[in-house]
Amino acid sequence: AQTVTQSQPEMSVQEAETVTLSCTYDTSENNYYLFWYKQPPSRQMILVIRQEAYKQQNATENRFSVNFQKAAKSFSLKISDSQLGDTAMYFCAFMKHGGEGNLIFGKGTKLSVKP
Amino acid sequence: DTGVSQDPRHKITKRGQNVTFRCDPISEHNRLYWYRQTLGQGPEFLTYFQNEAQLEKSRLLSDRFSAERPKGSFSTLEIQRTEQGDSAMYLCASSLRTGAGNTIYFGEGSWLTVV
Repeated sequence: AQTVTQSQPEMSVQEAETVTLSCTYDTSENNYYLFWYKQPPSRQMILVIRQEAYKQQNATENRFSVNFQKAAKSFSLKISDSQLGDTAMYFCAFMKHGGEGNLIFGKGTKLSVKP
Repeated sequence: DTGVSQDPRHKITKRGQNVTFRCDPISEHNRLYWYRQTLGQGPEFLTYFQNEAQLEKSRLLSDRFSAERPKGSFSTLEIQRTEQGDSAMYLCASSLRTGAGNTIYFGEGSWLTVV
């Protein structure tokens, strides 16, 4: 069975600074996908960034980038130039190839961006 | 494109009552998913549909839970004889069938409180 671990229940960062959220996972699969989702308070969960395991290049989406270390089973999210609107719960998620939408989520990290 | 919509957003019910939640996916999406999220946890997969066919059910989906997607469009999730342990947010999500790893879009969720 796959598991996803987010070891940082809460984090805070000053506006305009950079923050890194950690995620590790456990799987015996070789082909899979990793995701970071953002869930603002009382708002819907939205996809921040995704990474295909077969791609060595780390994914980037504007201010968001990942550090994907397949051998270490690590998938951290870096947020640059943090903005107040980045305040949210961040969930790391895993889906095996052919997983048909069965996302395995971590417990989340609550990020607060302070002015 | 109005996104995934869920109704009701909040429901308070007495233990033993039945409740039903509705989900309207993004119009062209033929895959629809239900997840459950309890406080302090990430979402957990319950079930998914491709068109009107329910193709996978989690062991979390007890006999008191039933989901339908009668015409391959909207879906309902019914919980019979509710228990306090059913208190959670029920998330609906949808995606296009573009192969493994397709982006899953979530609704804002339906909060259930069983008293």
